[in-house]
Amino acid sequence: DAGVTQSPTHLIKTRGQHVTLRCSPISGHKSVSWYQQVLGQGPQFIFQYYEKEERGRGNFPDRFSARQFPNYSSELNVNALLLGDSALYLCASSYTASELFFGEGSRLTVL
Amino acid sequence: GENVEQHPSTLSVQEGDSAVIKCTYSDSASNYFPWYKQELGKRPQLIIDIRSNVGEKKDQRIAVTLNKTAKHFSLHITETQPEDSAVYFCAANWEEGGGADGLTFGKGTHLIIQP
Repeated sequence: DAGVTQSPTHLIKTRGQHVTLRCSPISGHKSVSWYQQVLGQGPQFIFQYYEKEERGRGNFPDRFSARQFPNYSSELNVNALLLGDSALYLCASSYTASELFFGEGSRLTVL
Repeated sequence: GENVEQHPSTLSVQEGDSAVIKCTYSDSASNYFPWYKQELGKRPQLIIDIRSNVGEKKDQRIAVTLNKTAKHFSLHITETQPEDSAVYFCAANWEEGGGADGLTFGKGTHLIIQP
């Protein structure tokens, strides 16, 4: 059974550009969360989606947005990239209020 | 919001010895406390968790203790092995899946097992 899959695995952007990161949850999981992990720090919560509705949002600017599709996959969008957005972006899925399963992440470098 | 402090940031122990990592949290409403292991370049993986109605939980060489009064919880690894080398994160929330405000993570402990 496939785990949480994310794409792309690595990408390089320049300041001011836009990026879209994609996540496919474990089959049967209806909840998807996004976390940002800066090098040397713990993951920081960005969004949670459940049944295609935004359920929660962390302390991130409006440049960050996300959505969840009918098949429960999700996209994270970041506009007007800053150097400080360089990080590992982790997607996690869960079956309602249960254990979080993380993907391998998308490593974003902003130059 | 919740704030989780984790110590130490780096821990080096001899193979076969025990390792203890400690975390404190601020929100008394938190009642779910997971521990994740993250190997270099890999995803965080849940290794053990505890809920506030339990004081201690063990799974083979790993145990977690919780003191709700003092708002701290600890990870104990006995008989450490080279494959235990990784970064360990504690986290807290009122709900197992992270809830609407997500899991709050500590900054991590880099555990190094010396041969």
